[in-house]
Amino acid sequence: AQKVTQAQTEISVVEKEDVTLDCVYETRDTTYYLFWYKQPPSGELVFLIRRNSFDEQNEISGRYSWNFQKSTSSFNFTITASQVVDSAVYFCALSEVSPNSGGSNYKLTFGKGTLLTVNP
Amino acid sequence: NAGVTQTPKFQVLKTGQSMTLQCAQDMNHNSMYWYRQDPGMGLRLIYYSASEGTTDKGEVPNGYNVSRLNKREFSLRLESAAPSQTSVYFCASTFFLISYNEQFFGPGTRLTVL
Repeated sequence: AQKVTQAQTEISVVEKEDVTLDCVYETRDTTYYLFWYKQPPSGELVFLIRRNSFDEQNEISGRYSWNFQKSTSSFNFTITASQVVDSAVYFCALSEVSPNSGGSNYKLTFGKGTLLTVNP
Repeated sequence: NAGVTQTPKFQVLKTGQSMTLQCAQDMNHNSMYWYRQDPGMGLRLIYYSASEGTTDKGEVPNGYNVSRLNKREFSLRLESAAPSQTSVYFCASTFFLISYNEQFFGPGTRLTVL
């Protein structure tokens, strides 16, 4: 079965520190997709990034960067120069081909999330 | 576009009462999902609908039923609410054809069962 492990339950940093959120996944699918979502204190879920299994290029978007390594089944997320507004729960998610769908449908398995608190 | 909308935003039920959570999307997405979020548990999939006319169980389907009313709407029904169903419920949708895209989430429904 698919599994997503976010070993860090809570992280607390001081503003301007860099912080890395870990995500390790397990899958038997050869084609799969990985995602990161942010859930700020207001409660909505905000999509951050999608990566497919064939694209191992790292990605940078402003202060955010993602490191995808198939060899270690990891998809880690780094925030550079953290800010108070980055305080949120961050979820990593892995797509899973739905059983009996013949590869025609996917669903997501989420990790349990990492609560990041950035203190001023 | 309104994106994914959910009603109601809050609800309090007594044990044994029934209710239906409504979800609608205006993005012409083919797949829709219902999740529940409990503290420390992340999001767990209750039911999903790959396309209009199909529904499948997710990780925690017991005590729930769903209806994919049309392409836009996907409702979740609690027939006899239990305190264990106290949770925040999220609806999501996505478009899947060749590659799997991100899911868009509704604002959530906070349900308390007394």
